[in-house]
Amino acid sequence: QQPVQSPQAVILREGEDAVINCSSSKALYSVHWYRQKHGEAPVFLMILLKGGEQKGHEKISASFNEKKQQSSLYLTASQLSYSGTYFCGTALSSNDYKLSFGAGTTVTVRA
Amino acid sequence: DAGITQSPRHKVTETGTPVTLRCHQTENHRYMYWYRQDPGHGLRLIHYSYGVKDTDKGEVSDGYSVSRSKTEDFLLTLESATSSQTSVYFCAISTGDGSQPQHFGDGTRLSIL
Repeated sequence: QQPVQSPQAVILREGEDAVINCSSSKALYSVHWYRQKHGEAPVFLMILLKGGEQKGHEKISASFNEKKQQSSLYLTASQLSYSGTYFCGTALSSNDYKLSFGAGTTVTVRA
Repeated sequence: DAGITQSPRHKVTETGTPVTLRCHQTENHRYMYWYRQDPGHGLRLIHYSYGVKDTDKGEVSDGYSVSRSKTEDFLLTLESATSSQTSVYFCAISTGDGSQPQHFGDGTRLSIL
């Protein structure tokens, strides 16, 4: 079942922060985050495994709340280069070779 | 960057014609995937492969078939293309299960008239 991402879109000015959420109705094993710029391929950012660890990539970090089956992606002090569509992908178990992707969150960072 | 090549990158064809898209990898990854991407739907899995000649269906497999005769190549075939299959198709590769990242090719933009 496809995870639900929110918000669908967000507009930021450079330096502002944003949070993107990814929620599932099923128990998750892992949450993957990808960023896709217009006309390009999705690019892997990070994986969160169950256990609630937090990870970071540049000034982008993420957390995984097992109790809520929700992951949040934090864009801190946003830069123009952060613009794009962010997707979360979820796996249900360690034997799950497939990911279910959310519909995406479009982030626009303006100068 | 992961060594993934999709071909062709762009294709325009007519309804009812067969179409084959190719994904070639140089990473020797075991798992390969075909997705389609349409506005508002994110990435939807069509078929995937967990080894040579081992394939399985994804959530939107109707109208598509796949083959994998070598580790490095994963083919997606539309037996009789329909306008609803107009989309951007991405191939992805991975070394393993849900704890491993997927790496995507540059995509094929397919238009069916």
